[in-house]
Amino acid sequence: SYVLTQPPSLSVAPGKTARITCGGNNIGTKSVHWYQQRPGQAPVLVICYDSDRPSGIPERFSGSNSGNTATLTISRVEAGDEADYYCQVWDNISNYPVFGGGSKLTVL
Amino acid sequence: EGQLLESGGGVVQPGGSLRLSCAASGFTFSTYAMSWVRQTPGKGLEWVSVISNSGGRTFYADSVKGRFTISRDNSKNTLYLQMNSLRVEDTAVYYCATVNQLLMYYFGKWGQGTLVTVSS
Repeated sequence: SYVLTQPPSLSVAPGKTARITCGGNNIGTKSVHWYQQRPGQAPVLVICYDSDRPSGIPERFSGSNSGNTATLTISRVEAGDEADYYCQVWDNISNYPVFGGGSKLTVL
Repeated sequence: EGQLLESGGGVVQPGGSLRLSCAASGFTFSTYAMSWVRQTPGKGLEWVSVISNSGGRTFYADSVKGRFTISRDNSKNTLYLQMNSLRVEDTAVYYCATVNQLLMYYFGKWGQGTLVTVSS
């Protein structure tokens, strides 16, 4: 099945920019979706179709996708952004969705 | 905005059965395809199954095919997951979620999850 690779963790100071990557073979040809999961809570969709923000998601969240890497960018990071972030794509071979392993964002 | 509330989780022995429910409110349930996704500490998020808005089409992950059955009752705004022949590796938090279409979808709205523990 299609494999998505995310860094297990990253740390960012408040007010700085966090960039969370999601690697996959020619992932730029796929649509990438991103989810935020705060501790003890359910996942929340924050970016769909590479760069679209669902209603209610702050403009600080943005996405891009090209080549072998998709990136979720969080500008002006706040304490409330501390969470696990997961990327997700559709696997055209198995014909079902697959998730990355998740990246834990720590706000220093 | 709408809400999803799962129930039915618990502790069950290997080989046993369990039925999960997901009650929807605040949105037109019958217009959405629905899915189950599970989460384990070791394997992260894993898609389990999806069902069309009418219930006429269903799809399953290979890991649960033949053991799990997804269904829905649009008159009761409720999604179900019947889990049979449970294995230790089925232990996870199970989430129900809306999906935007039946193929190549994303998960729009998630419930809070229900914990299933398979252990002797």
